[in-house]
Amino acid sequence: AQSVSQHNHHVILSEAASLELGCNYSYGGTVNLFWYVQYPGQHLQLLLKYFSGDPLVKGIKGFEAEFIKSKFSFNLRKPSVQWSDTAEYFCAVGWPEGYNKLIFGAGTRLAVHP
Amino acid sequence: KAGVTQTPRYLIKTRGQQVTLSCSPISGHRSVSWYQQTPGQGLQFLFEYFSETQRNKGNFPGRFSGRQFSNSRSEMNVSTLELGDSALYLCASSLKEQRNEKLFFGSGTQLSVL
Repeated sequence: AQSVSQHNHHVILSEAASLELGCNYSYGGTVNLFWYVQYPGQHLQLLLKYFSGDPLVKGIKGFEAEFIKSKFSFNLRKPSVQWSDTAEYFCAVGWPEGYNKLIFGAGTRLAVHP
Repeated sequence: KAGVTQTPRYLIKTRGQQVTLSCSPISGHRSVSWYQQTPGQGLQFLFEYFSETQRNKGNFPGRFSGRQFSNSRSEMNVSTLELGDSALYLCASSLKEQRNEKLFFGSGTQLSVL
């Protein structure tokens, strides 16, 4: 069965620090990969997605993620975080045969201190 | 444009009862997915509907069911409620028929089973 692992459940950073959140998935076929974010009091929203092509994808608010097929990973990065990045981040995997079914990781709570 | 609307926002039920949750997708969106979110299990896929047809289903017991109407609005029903059904139920809609489209989530219905 497909699964998604997010290595860090809680991350605390100071503003301007760099961020990298790990995500690994288990599925041998073609995958589509996503990062969703939930800001305090808001809906889950899409941060970025990878379907094919350039394995380095850029999303909103300066976030990027790199798909490394050999490592089954899709890590999220941001060079310099801001207080407004405080949120919960979810990695998710889908696959062509699954329509809109996504398997989500457990989430990482990021707290950025000014 | 209005977002995904879920009603009611909160529900309190007792064991053995049944409950119906409602979701109105973004206008023009034809796909509606349902997810269960709990602190222990995270986000888990329940089912997806497209044009009134269920086209994917998660690993939940038959007590969980859903349907979609011709106007794309969707309902999910849980019968014979158990304490473990206490969760945030999220609905998500997407625009196109293509697989793994961007999902737009609602605020959810918080269900408490006593």
